[in-house]
Amino acid sequence: DTEVTQTPKHLVMGMTNKKSLKCEQHMGHRAMYWYKQKAKKPPELMFVYSYEKLSINESVPSRFSPECPNSSLLNLHLHALQPEDSALYLCASSPDHLRVTQYFGPGTRLTVL
Amino acid sequence: AQSVTQLDSQVPVFEEAPVELRCNYSSSVSVYLFWYVQYPNQGLQLLLKYLSGSTLVESINGFEAEFNKSQTSFHLRKPSVHISDTAEYFCAVTMNTGFQKLVFGTGTRLLVSP
Repeated sequence: DTEVTQTPKHLVMGMTNKKSLKCEQHMGHRAMYWYKQKAKKPPELMFVYSYEKLSINESVPSRFSPECPNSSLLNLHLHALQPEDSALYLCASSPDHLRVTQYFGPGTRLTVL
Repeated sequence: AQSVTQLDSQVPVFEEAPVELRCNYSSSVSVYLFWYVQYPNQGLQLLLKYLSGSTLVESINGFEAEFNKSQTSFHLRKPSVHISDTAEYFCAVTMNTGFQKLVFGTGTRLLVSP
C-alpha cells in the first residue's frame, strides 16, 4: 500500500481564520514533506520532516506552521493567510531521507478569501 | 545543483498513437530520476523511476522511460495512448547521495483526443 491521505479535500478560509491541514501515512515512512502547487506549475517544496524532526524549511512565511506529532502524521497549521496563498497543498512521504522515492497524497485545495 | 527541462508544455496526440514526452536534466553528480503523473484535480502519482540498474524502466500501464546518461535524458514513451492518459506529466530529479530536494520540471500536458 502506497497511500498518503490528506484532509480536508477542499478548504475555504478568510484571512483572519486559523485552520489546519492534515496528512497521514501508514507505510512506515520516516520522511514527510509539504509542497505548495499553484495552477499549471510544478510543486514547490515547503517543509521536510525526517524522523519527526524538521530538517528543511524552504524559507516559508511564518503564517505556515508545520507539525509532526508522530511518524504517521503531519499537520500544516495556517494563520493569517493571504489570497496569494490559495493553492493545492500536497503532502508526500518517503521511506527515509536517503530512500527518496516520494509518494504523494491527493492534496488539499485551499482558497483564501 | 540539479535542474530539469521539459521543453514541451503541451503535447496533443490522437488516441492509439505513440507519444514521447521529453525530459532533460542537468547535474554534476549521479542522479535518481522520476516521472509523476497528475490527473485533473488530483495529487501526483509515481509513474516510474530510475534509481540504478537497467536503464529502461517500465510502468504497469504501458509507459516506459530510458535513462541516457550521455544525453542526460529520461524521455517518457508509450506506444499507444488512451484518452485516459490525458494528464500533466512531471519529470523530477534528485541527487543519489543523501537527502536532496526533488527538483521538478515545469510539466508537460498530454492531451489525447479521439
